Amino acid sequence: EEQVVESGGDLVQPGGSLRLSCVASGFTFSNYEMNWVRQAPGKGLEWVSYMTSSGSTRYYADSVKGRFTISRDNAKNSLYLQMNSLRAEDTAVYYCVRVDLSWGQGTLVTVSS
Amino acid sequence: QAVLTQPSSLSASPGASARLTCTLRSGINLDACRIYWYQLKPGSPPQYLLRYKSDSDKQLGSGVPSRFSGSKDASANAGILLISGLQTEDEADYYCMTWHSSAYVFGTGTKVTVL
Repeated sequence: EEQVVESGGDLVQPGGSLRLSCVASGFTFSNYEMNWVRQAPGKGLEWVSYMTSSGSTRYYADSVKGRFTISRDNAKNSLYLQMNSLRAEDTAVYYCVRVDLSWGQGTLVTVSS
Repeated sequence: QAVLTQPSSLSASPGASARLTCTLRSGINLDACRIYWYQLKPGSPPQYLLRYKSDSDKQLGSGVPSRFSGSKDASANAGILLISGLQTEDEADYYCMTWHSSAYVFGTGTKVTVL
C-alpha cells in the first residue's frame, strides 16, 4: 500500500523552531515530486512547499518563504520541513503530499505561548 | 481575485448528480492546467479523487468509484467534478487544486450536502 506517515508536530512558542518528517512506503519515493500542505483549524487547504524528485528544485508559499526549508533523503524515503521563526498563524495540521495519492493523517503544529 | 474559485456550498438529493465547479482567474489558460480534486471529511485525512487535464490526460484515484469524474467547461474557464448517483457518504468538503506560477494553489472549497 502506498502511504506516507508524518511526525514531528508539537506545541512550540512563537519564534521557535520545529522539524517535521515524513516517511513514505509502498512506492518508489525517489521518482516523485513531494509537497507539504497545511490546514489551519477551521480553514481550507494551503500549499506550503514543493520539491522535485531529485531535490534540485524547491518552491515555497510566500507566507513561509525565508522561514521554512524543505528537504528530502531519497535513501531513507523521507521528506522533511524545517520550520523556523514560527508564528501563531503557522498553527495547523501539516501533511506530506504526493498530489496523486490520498494523504496521511498529518501532524499537528501548535504555535502558542 | 483568487486563482481558483469554488462555490461555498451545494445541496443535492441522494441519487442525483452534483456538478462542482472550479473557476480559474481570468487570464489563466484552462487548457494548460491539470486540475486535482480532493475530498475532505471531518476527522479524516484528505482523499485524492482524480486529476483532469484532458480526456487523454486524466486519472481516477486508487479505489475511487467511477461515479466521480472530471472534465472542463471552456466557456466558464472552469474545471468540473461530477459526482453521479450521489450517496450520503459523499457529504463532504471538496477542494480543487492546480499548479500556477511555481506553486500549487487550492480552491476555496465546496461543502456538499446530501439531503
